Amino acid sequence: DAGVIQSPRHEVTEMGQEVTLRCKPISGHNSLFWYRQTMMRGLELLIYFNNNVPIDDSGMPEDRFSAKMPNASFSTLKIQPSEPRDSAVYFCASTSREVNTEAFFGQGTRLTVV
Amino acid sequence: GDSVTQMEGPVTLSEEAFLTINCTYTATGYPSLFWYVQYPGEGLQLLLKATKADDKGSNKGFEATYRKETTSFHLEKGSVQVSDSAVYFCALSLYNQGGKLIFGQGTELSVKP
Repeated sequence: DAGVIQSPRHEVTEMGQEVTLRCKPISGHNSLFWYRQTMMRGLELLIYFNNNVPIDDSGMPEDRFSAKMPNASFSTLKIQPSEPRDSAVYFCASTSREVNTEAFFGQGTRLTVV
Repeated sequence: GDSVTQMEGPVTLSEEAFLTINCTYTATGYPSLFWYVQYPGEGLQLLLKATKADDKGSNKGFEATYRKETTSFHLEKGSVQVSDSAVYFCALSLYNQGGKLIFGQGTELSVKP
């Protein structure tokens, strides 16, 4: 397996534009997580899915953020409209819902909003 | 709520020095505990884990023991190398939360030759 695949690796956009981040989890994993990493706040869990269903989105900062998982092999995180304070590295991770299974992380998308 | 607290960095050591990074946790249930490592420009990789009290996780010369009585999971290595320079994250997960990981704030380690 190629691991968790995120795209794009880097994204630079202007304030007010829509941004869509993509994630392909490891085949067979049924839990998927979106994290945001910044210097100030560290790693924050934004949302996670079990079997494609959103379970906890309490970490989503504002209504400008939305996430979907239309099937077991694809998820998106959308920011509309984007703001400079959204600049961060966004990670996707997946795991199997078995006990104690480690989470595998993608390489992240570095988002810069100017 | 559930949380993880790590010692603050950055930590700067000379090659072959002994490393300890402290980690304590608060959890409503009985968590599994993890150490992840992040090299520059990369995602997080699992370094080691422990799933029950008194378990010792180990990998690449790193060790950590699950101490339920002190709610701790300190990371140690007897002799660090320059290649160990990275950010280290302590984390917990609870089975009834679908494998969700709760991370500490990370500790940056810099090893000088």
